[in-house]
Amino acid sequence: EPEVTQTPSHQVTQMGQEVILRCVPISNHLYFYWYRQILGQKVEFLVSFYNNEISEKSEIFDDQFSVERPDGSNFTLKIRSTKLEDSAMYFCASRAPATFVREQYFGPGTRLTVT
Amino acid sequence: RKEVEQDPGPFNVPEGATVAFNCTYSNSASQSFVWYRQDCRKEPKLLMSVYSSGNEDGRFTAQLNRASQYISLLIRDSKLSDSATYLCVVKGAGNMLTFGGGTRLMVKP
Repeated sequence: EPEVTQTPSHQVTQMGQEVILRCVPISNHLYFYWYRQILGQKVEFLVSFYNNEISEKSEIFDDQFSVERPDGSNFTLKIRSTKLEDSAMYFCASRAPATFVREQYFGPGTRLTVT
Repeated sequence: RKEVEQDPGPFNVPEGATVAFNCTYSNSASQSFVWYRQDCRKEPKLLMSVYSSGNEDGRFTAQLNRASQYISLLIRDSKLSDSATYLCVVKGAGNMLTFGGGTRLMVKP
């Protein structure tokens, strides 16, 4: 069964550093998403991406965040200058075109720890 | 009022029991809903979509009550492997998912 994959599984970084989280969505999916989950809290939407541009973004997704699909397979989330409060699990999700199952499938996540 | 509200639990039930979770949502214009399950420190895994007419998938039944703005999930004949956190999700514009805080289920032998 095809899966969303994410790397790295755990990233430790110092405050102020840039991090790039990587995702490989399911191959025939066209819609891509990033969510985060702070430990003990609910999953929160960050951004959605379709046709090489952002479709929706939340208040969390400020100027420190950016997304990119640099090639046909990868989907990345960049945080330019990390803060302590960016420590969370970051999940990538993807969804097939509307004619197929319309639900999002999540990757295993990247645990980001900012020290 | 929270956008999506769930009783955090935990619900402790014996194997074989039937258990039901409710979830309320605040936006009366919401149209689409989904249940995910999440194991500790893992990703949300799709459980089932919720259709207006209600739907069943094996031991799981989802119901939608638009008038009262709640969604329910019923699990029959609980298994140990059903122990997890169940996430109620409302789909918004652009298929953006709004998650509830989850209801924790623990099935005991």
